[in-house]
Amino acid sequence: QLALTQSPSASASLGASVRLTCTLSSGHSTYAVAWHQQQPQKGPRFLMKVTRDGSHTKGDGIPDRFSGASSGAERHLAISSLQSEDEADYYCQTWDTGIEVFGGGTKLTVL
Amino acid sequence: QVQLQESGPGQVKPSQTLSLTCSVSGASISSGSYYWNWIRQPAGKGLEWIGRIDASGGPNYSPSLKSRVTMSLDASKNQFSLKLTSVTVADTAVYYCARRMGGLATLGFDSWGQGTLVTVSS
Repeated sequence: QLALTQSPSASASLGASVRLTCTLSSGHSTYAVAWHQQQPQKGPRFLMKVTRDGSHTKGDGIPDRFSGASSGAERHLAISSLQSEDEADYYCQTWDTGIEVFGGGTKLTVL
Repeated sequence: QVQLQESGPGQVKPSQTLSLTCSVSGASISSGSYYWNWIRQPAGKGLEWIGRIDASGGPNYSPSLKSRVTMSLDASKNQFSLKLTSVTVADTAVYYCARRMGGLATLGFDSWGQGTLVTVSS
């Protein structure tokens, strides 16, 4: 069954870098994922799509500080030069015939 | 630039039917190139996919909600709708609509509505 696993929380200091991970379920390691950011009290915003080879396509206006990568069944979202507004929940999402799937989300705290 | 906007009652009584509409501008829902989705988020919890519909195929629903969900398209108004029957307090959530392109060029949900809070309460 197609599923995505994310760590519930992550933290990093202002100005530092952080990498969030989304793991695809067994048998689905070739799937692409999309990353979404949800700032407090706001709706989700599309950040980027990350494919199996690590290439990524970002949404309009997404800063260069955000990038994507892949390793096996893992899809990563990297954020450099962390800013206070990066403190948010981050969700990965994937899709298959007849279904869309979300990961449980990672709450990023900027210290 | 595509824009999506949810609308509907903010409160529904238990056992009744929740009805929401998503109005789309900047794209045609009848083009057949996109999936039009409903997603919800209870307070303090994660995102849950409810279902999707497109102009060229039938709807697809989450297995956990399938027995209570109906989605439809209104091409004349460029809107799509959600009906969720027999609601309980567990259906209280912010409801979002979102778009995903079909095919290999898909990016995932690349456009989202701002969300609308629906509270199930007597």
